[in-house]
Amino acid sequence: KQEVTQIPAALSVPEGENLVLNCSFTDSAIYNLQWFRQDPGKGLTSLLLIQSSQREQTSGRLNASLDKSSGRSTLYIAASQPGDSATYLCAVEGYGGATNKLIFGTGTLLAVQP
Amino acid sequence: DAGVIQSPRHEVTEMGQEVTLRCKPISGHNSLFWYRQTMMRGLELLIYFNNNVPIDDSGMPEDRFSAKMPNASFSTLKIQPSEPRDSAVYFCASSTFGMPQHFGDGTRLSIL
Repeated sequence: KQEVTQIPAALSVPEGENLVLNCSFTDSAIYNLQWFRQDPGKGLTSLLLIQSSQREQTSGRLNASLDKSSGRSTLYIAASQPGDSATYLCAVEGYGGATNKLIFGTGTLLAVQP
Repeated sequence: DAGVIQSPRHEVTEMGQEVTLRCKPISGHNSLFWYRQTMMRGLELLIYFNNNVPIDDSGMPEDRFSAKMPNASFSTLKIQPSEPRDSAVYFCASSTFGMPQHFGDGTRLSIL
């Protein structure tokens, strides 16, 4: 059974710092890995989607990497801003009967201090 | 683009009552998902539909939960009878194949 873990559970950094969020998964047979952002009282917003054949994806100040063999992904946020404060979740999608089924980690709560 | 629309945003009701949550997916999306989020268990997939057909309902916790999608623009998640342990935030999401899911803002459900 696929399990997704995120470390740390919470993180507080001063504005301007570069930071890394970690995600690990137990079954490397994944179709893709996705990073989402969740603001308080809101739904999830997709940030980056990495296909299983890819090693990384970039969007603005965000860069996500994927190492399927080791079951790990990282989300790198450059030059953090107070507006980046949110909960960040990673999710993996499997193959076959697991297609379309996202298994989520428990998230990292990020606070960027001005 | 109106996004995924869920109603109501908040629901407070007494144990034993029937609860119906509603979702309007993004036009043109052919997959619809219902999730439940709690502090203890995180975000869990309850059921998903492709082209209005339920594909996998293995995440539905009990027979008290049911979901329907009568057409491409509407879905409901019903709990009958409701129990305090059903209190959670319920999210609906929609997507097209291979693309990220788009989430609604959720329904915060409290069962007293």
